[in-house]
Amino acid sequence: EPEVTQTPSHQVTQMGQEVILRCVPISNHLYFYWYRQILGQKVEFLVSFYNNEISEKSEIFDDQFSVERPDGSNFTLKIRSTKLEDSAMYFCASSGPISGTSSTDTQYFGPGTRLTVL
Amino acid sequence: AQSVTQLGSHVSVSEGALVLLRCNYSSSVPPYLFWYVQYPNQGLQLLLKYTSAATLVKGINGFEAEFKKSETSFHLTKPSAHMSDAAEYFCAVRGGSGGSEKLVFGKGTKLTVNP
Repeated sequence: EPEVTQTPSHQVTQMGQEVILRCVPISNHLYFYWYRQILGQKVEFLVSFYNNEISEKSEIFDDQFSVERPDGSNFTLKIRSTKLEDSAMYFCASSGPISGTSSTDTQYFGPGTRLTVL
Repeated sequence: AQSVTQLGSHVSVSEGALVLLRCNYSSSVPPYLFWYVQYPNQGLQLLLKYTSAATLVKGINGFEAEFKKSETSFHLTKPSAHMSDAAEYFCAVRGGSGGSEKLVFGKGTKLTVNP
């Protein structure tokens, strides 16, 4: 079964450093998302991406954050200058259409990248 | 705008007992509703979804949920709990057809299954 993959599984960085979190969405999906989950809190939407541009973003997604689809398979989240409060689990997700359907309603999540900012 | 409230951050049941995890939603547009499960150190796996078709939705692993518009609820049930059901469960809502793609999650309910 196709799945979303994310690398690395765990990233440790110093405050102020730049990090890039990588995701490979399900092949043939066209919609891509990033969410984050701070320890003990709810999963929060960050950004959605379609047709090579941001389609929606939350107030969390400020100028420190950027997303990119550098090639036909990868989808990345960059944090330019990390802060302690950026420590969280970051989830990538993707949704359809898949061949034979036009469904975009189901988002499939990757296993997450745990980012620790020291 | 959408929001989700999950009643009970922790639920504990005995193996073989009924599982009931509660979810109430608020939405300004007809909603799509989802239940996801997260096993320890893993990502979010879709259990089931409601997208304006049948109000009683069946999912994987014997779970089902019923959409009740009058009660703005989408509670998750399973007739008989297994040890393997121990996990955290998240209810999520998004705008329906043509609405915002973003999922809004509840805080999650951690299910413990006792032998």
